[in-house]
Amino acid sequence: EVQLVESGGGLVQPGRSLTLSCTASGFSFGDYGMSWFRQAPGKGLEWVGFIRNKASGGTPEYAASVKGRFSISRDNSKGIAYLQMNGLQTEDTAVYYCTRYGSAWVDAFNVWGQGTMVTVSS
Amino acid sequence: DIVMTQSPDSLAVSLGERATINCKASQSVLYSSNNKNYLVWYQQKPGQPPKLLIYWASTRESGVPDRFSGSGSGTDFTLTINNLQAEDVAVYYCQQHYNPPWTFGQGTKVEIK
Repeated sequence: EVQLVESGGGLVQPGRSLTLSCTASGFSFGDYGMSWFRQAPGKGLEWVGFIRNKASGGTPEYAASVKGRFSISRDNSKGIAYLQMNGLQTEDTAVYYCTRYGSAWVDAFNVWGQGTMVTVSS
Repeated sequence: DIVMTQSPDSLAVSLGERATINCKASQSVLYSSNNKNYLVWYQQKPGQPPKLLIYWASTRESGVPDRFSGSGSGTDFTLTINNLQAEDVAVYYCQQHYNPPWTFGQGTKVEIK
């Protein structure tokens, strides 16, 4: 079964750091780009960033709202994508989701994790 | 950045009737080299992650009931739900992945009248 499981969320003070993990199973992780999205309480969906697959160089892209503070990486041997969040702000409070996209957009966005909640508060 | 604007923000439809949601992009999301629109539609129910309904603007994801259909090209897109069922109550989002930053419409809440 193709599955994505996010973990690492929790309550964190403003200015602190947190690292989220997205553990993949049931598919060839290295062949897929991985993306992070978030949803603030009661709000719409927002793209956070993605990391390209191995064949495309494994490079990341970020939304302007997180660029310079957040970093996406991946460990293809473990099947895990990471979202390192530094300098967290109250407006980063959200449920964070990961999803995948294949080359030529095969199987893009068709599998999502259940999400992990990040609360930034003093 | 490509701005995605959905309309309406909410709509109430009787069971068995049709719901129509529009999504307008501030610039074309049609990739000329493959003639594909980089536009997807999601359904999201409370407490759940988004569920992919439609990709390439009009291709239904496997397992999605055929009462859901997508249409449009370039900058103007539509999600149609025919024969609305109670389980279709949800918020629906369009999203473009033509260029980063990938952007979403603000969402359309569909309720039963």
